Parts: sequence; C-alpha cells; structure tokens
Amino acid sequence: EIVLTQSPATLSLSPGERATLSCRASQSISNYLAWYQQKPGQAPRLLISDASNRATGIPGRFSGSGSGTDFTLTISSLEPEDFAVYYCQQRSTWPQTFGQGTKLEIK
Amino acid sequence: EVQLVESGGGLVQPGWSLRLSCAASGLTVSRSFMSWVRQAPGRGLEWVSMIYSDDSGGTIHYRDSVKGRFTISRDNSRNTLYLQMNSLRTDDTAVYYCARWTGTDYDCWGQGSLVTVSS
Repeated sequence: EIVLTQSPATLSLSPGERATLSCRASQSISNYLAWYQQKPGQAPRLLISDASNRATGIPGRFSGSGSGTDFTLTISSLEPEDFAVYYCQQRSTWPQTFGQGTKLEIK
Repeated sequence: EVQLVESGGGLVQPGWSLRLSCAASGLTVSRSFMSWVRQAPGRGLEWVSMIYSDDSGGTIHYRDSVKGRFTISRDNSRNTLYLQMNSLRTDDTAVYYCARWTGTDYDCWGQGSLVTVSS
C-alpha cells in the first residue's frame, strides 16, 4: 500500500499569506494525485486532479505541482474561506490511499 | 445538478449488519464508477470499495480490512448504490461517503452517513 505523508500536520497563517502544503508518496505515483479540501461537517471537495489540473470552479489561487513522489498544493493568497483541512489522494496503485491531512488554521 | 444522498447509518453492536444506501440524481449510477469512502471520527479519509460502470464490466474492489464482510452493489432501476456491511467491528465506526470516481478523482460526494459500532 502506498503511504502518503502530508506536512505540516497543521499550518497557521493569516489571510493574504501564501500557503504551501506538501504530500510525499512512499513510492513513485507519476502524476496520479488529487487534492481535496474539507471543512468541518462537510464532505470533501475536489480541488486538483492529476497533480496540477484545477477542478471546475476552483479559484486560480489554488495550484498544484509535482510528480513522482513529491507534490505541493499552493494557495497564493489565503482567503478566509480557505481555512480547512486538505487531503492528497493517489490512484496509482490499489488500494487508493489518502494522506492524513493538513489542517490550515487562522493565525 | 448532481446529488448523492446517503442513508441507512446508525448505532449497532459489534457483529451486527447494516446496509447503506446512496441515492443519486443528475448522474446514472450504472454508467459511473462509484466508491464508498469513510472517515473515522477526527481522522482522515479511507477508501473502502469501488464498483466500475456496467460498460466497464462492473468490476469491484475492496480494501483488505472489509473483504468478506462488506458488499458493494447497485440497483440501476432505483439509481442507487449500496454498501452491505456485515460482521461490523468497532473500527468500522465512521462517516461513510459515497462518491463518483471520474477515473482521476472524486468529483461528487454525498453528505455522509454515520455508522457507529459500539456495545
């Protein structure tokens, strides 16, 4: 099973700042990585697929990069609604796996 | 608009059974790849099971920890996805989401159904 390790576990930033979230895979997964945002009491929402493709309706401040084992989700300028938990997910190998999440909190 | 609505969750004792339903609108379950993903309280997301579309053969996958206990299925006439869960264990306690798999990601999710397994 491929393990996805997200860092940091918690990121404390202020609105307007830049957020950089990391996801590292235990083996190469090419670009078969998606990112999701989850707010309390809500289902996850798709942000990025295939490492760098923004999903429909996702603001341009969200961007994804990386391939192989190291991936990054960047939020260029944080808006108040961006404070949430973010998960990465791989589809390279069964079973599909998710990272443990990064909580982005207001500083 | 695509909508997925789960139901059937509740409190059960270890060893009991439960069936979750996921009623779909705005998409055709038989023509979609559909999964169940769960989230234990305060924890991250965990994929549970997937069923391929009919025209992709209806192949089914399970995570190891639920093989032999859980069964994913669908009723095309009702446009509904199911998860039959038998021999439930305390570590099956979670919110269970149904979601549509596009081939690269999960683009639609239900609101979730809470399953609590406790004596």
